[in-house]
Amino acid sequence: GQSLEQPSEVTAVEGAIVQINCTYQTSGFYGLSWYQQHDGGAPTFLSYNALDGLEETGRFSSFLSRSDSYGYLLLQELQMKDSASYFCAVRAPGTGGFKTIFGAGTRLFVKA
Amino acid sequence: GAVVSQHPSWVICKSGTSVKIECRSLDFQATTMFWYRQFPKQSLMLMATSNEGSKATYEQGVEKDKFLINHASLTLSTLTVTSAHPEDSSFYICSARDLSVAGATNTEAFFGQGTRLTVV
Repeated sequence: GQSLEQPSEVTAVEGAIVQINCTYQTSGFYGLSWYQQHDGGAPTFLSYNALDGLEETGRFSSFLSRSDSYGYLLLQELQMKDSASYFCAVRAPGTGGFKTIFGAGTRLFVKA
Repeated sequence: GAVVSQHPSWVICKSGTSVKIECRSLDFQATTMFWYRQFPKQSLMLMATSNEGSKATYEQGVEKDKFLINHASLTLSTLTVTSAHPEDSSFYICSARDLSVAGATNTEAFFGQGTRLTVV
């Protein structure tokens, strides 16, 4: 089976740095993705790690350690608009190449 | 990036009726599309993988006869919720892959804007 664990909520202040951790257990693994979702909206892709290490995209960075089945999303210089839900998602073998299994999501509240 | 359009964005239907949701890839061909449902403040649960020209692959616990998936062309997949009940009320989201991008097995899936279904 597949399971992903991430904190349910995180609160931080504007300008701060926040890290959202994700541990996973899956049968088959291609990589770890991160998505952002604002209330009522569709998920938007943030990053993808297939190999160990840190990937940086602007204010967002994502890290993966395959040996530890662990990854994190790092958000820097937090802005109010970053308040949203963040999902880690494992890309695993599936029909047509792969399927994406989502974690429960972390609600990030950014305060002024 | 690639664009996936989902229609309708919201729908209200009566119990016992059927509702069809469309997912279109607007600027690319998608041999594979994914259907998810999401309850308020919960995660996206993969329902099925839709394959062009063949039967969909359903995740465990998803009723095939209730959630009919048709992927008749490379740009369109439909999800029909049959004999809808109030407990089917949810946010349904599709995603699709653009196989024209190199490294197709690692290609990111692009999401539609979702359909909010309310069954009364």
